Amino acid sequence: EAGVAQSPRYKIIEKRQSVAFWCNPISGHATLYWYQQILGQGPKLLIQFQNNGVVDDSQLPKDRFSAERLKGVDSTLKIQPAKLEDSAVYLCASSFAGEETQYFGPGTRLLVL
Amino acid sequence: GDSVTQMEGPVTLSEEAFLTINCTYTATGYPSLFWYVQYPGEGLQLLLKATKADDKGSNKGFEATYRKETTSFHLEKGSVQVSDSAVYFCALSVEDDKIIFGKGTRLHILP
Repeated sequence: EAGVAQSPRYKIIEKRQSVAFWCNPISGHATLYWYQQILGQGPKLLIQFQNNGVVDDSQLPKDRFSAERLKGVDSTLKIQPAKLEDSAVYLCASSFAGEETQYFGPGTRLLVL
Repeated sequence: GDSVTQMEGPVTLSEEAFLTINCTYTATGYPSLFWYVQYPGEGLQLLLKATKADDKGSNKGFEATYRKETTSFHLEKGSVQVSDSAVYFCALSVEDDKIIFGKGTRLHILP
């Protein structure tokens, strides 16, 4: 079974630039999550989708971050404009609807200079 | 609010040593508890979980018991291997399948 796919794996940008990350969840997983993992900390949930609807985006900095999952399958997370403190690993995870166990992708490591 | 506290690392052990990584939690409801592992260069993987008090989760020689009376979920392994070197995250899940993670504990196993 194919796992959660993410791209790119690494990205280096300058502050005030924009960046986008892509995630393709495991086939059949209705729920998709984006997490931010700052160095030395645990992952923090940014946004949770159920199919193409947003379940929770309370921790998403909406002035600069946006995410969409238009067809209820793959998803993109965008940062515009990026700040130095956005340097982190961005993790995508997916699960069956109502299932506690989440499956994580390898993450995208972002460095903002 | 709900939270997870785990012992700070790094933890360095010799191969075949006994491992304990402490984890305690605070939750208003009745959470499920998890240990996730992150091997170098890879994403997080579920290691084990327990969904109710006194449940024991186990996998790959690792064990953890859900202790409601002490609000703990300590990870143990009787004999660690070099391949166990990774970062271990304790986590809990409350309503709406949200997971709250601890800060992680880096484990180094020396041959």
